[in-house]
Amino acid sequence: QVQLVQSGAEVKKPGASVKVSCKTSGYRFTAYFMHWVRQAPGQGLEWMGWVNPNSAVTHYAQKFQGRVTMTRDTSINSVYMELSRLRPDDTAVYFCARRRPAPYDDFDTWGQGTMVTVSS
Amino acid sequence: QSVLTQPPSASGTPGQRVTISCSGTSSNIGTNVVNWYQQLPGTAPKLLIYSNNQRPSGVPDRFSGSKSGTSASLAISGLQSEDEADYYCAGWDDSLNGPVFGGGTKVTVL
Repeated sequence: QVQLVQSGAEVKKPGASVKVSCKTSGYRFTAYFMHWVRQAPGQGLEWMGWVNPNSAVTHYAQKFQGRVTMTRDTSINSVYMELSRLRPDDTAVYFCARRRPAPYDDFDTWGQGTMVTVSS
Repeated sequence: QSVLTQPPSASGTPGQRVTISCSGTSSNIGTNVVNWYQQLPGTAPKLLIYSNNQRPSGVPDRFSGSKSGTSASLAISGLQSEDEADYYCAGWDDSLNGPVFGGGTKVTVL
């Protein structure tokens, strides 16, 4: 079955960087774009961007441009999200989510989430 | 503030019908399909409705979705205690070239 398994919780100081991994299994890795969505405590879902695992092309939400980098490693079917210059308001659960292409245009599978805490 | 607008809360007694609205614009809901996600406490979101009104395998037929113009809605009929969760609408936004979400609606079973 399709699975997305993310790396464990992280605690970082302001100004540091964090890199979250998302290991996939159960489907052809290069066939689906992977998106990253975050959720601050008690808040809603916020889209961050996507990576095309086939070409490595990325597209980021304007809010995160310059601070986020999304990459992939086709040898181990994994994608990564690195966020730099962390601030306390970056404290959130970060999810990877597989996107089905048109006509569905939905996130049919999600990782379990990775809690990132930014605190001095 | 989210691009799509949902009421923050909704409630009902067991067996009742609850409806959640989702309002967008011509660049998102007006042009593209709407999806709904259910998020149980402490878990990742789960796809509940796709392509406006389709249920993935395993989703009870108590859940239904509809779309008209720049608005969509999710209905839960025969409300059950296990339906207590946050519900999010979502859709692709052509102006932003990315997905947008509603702010979420917390459903409480009284």
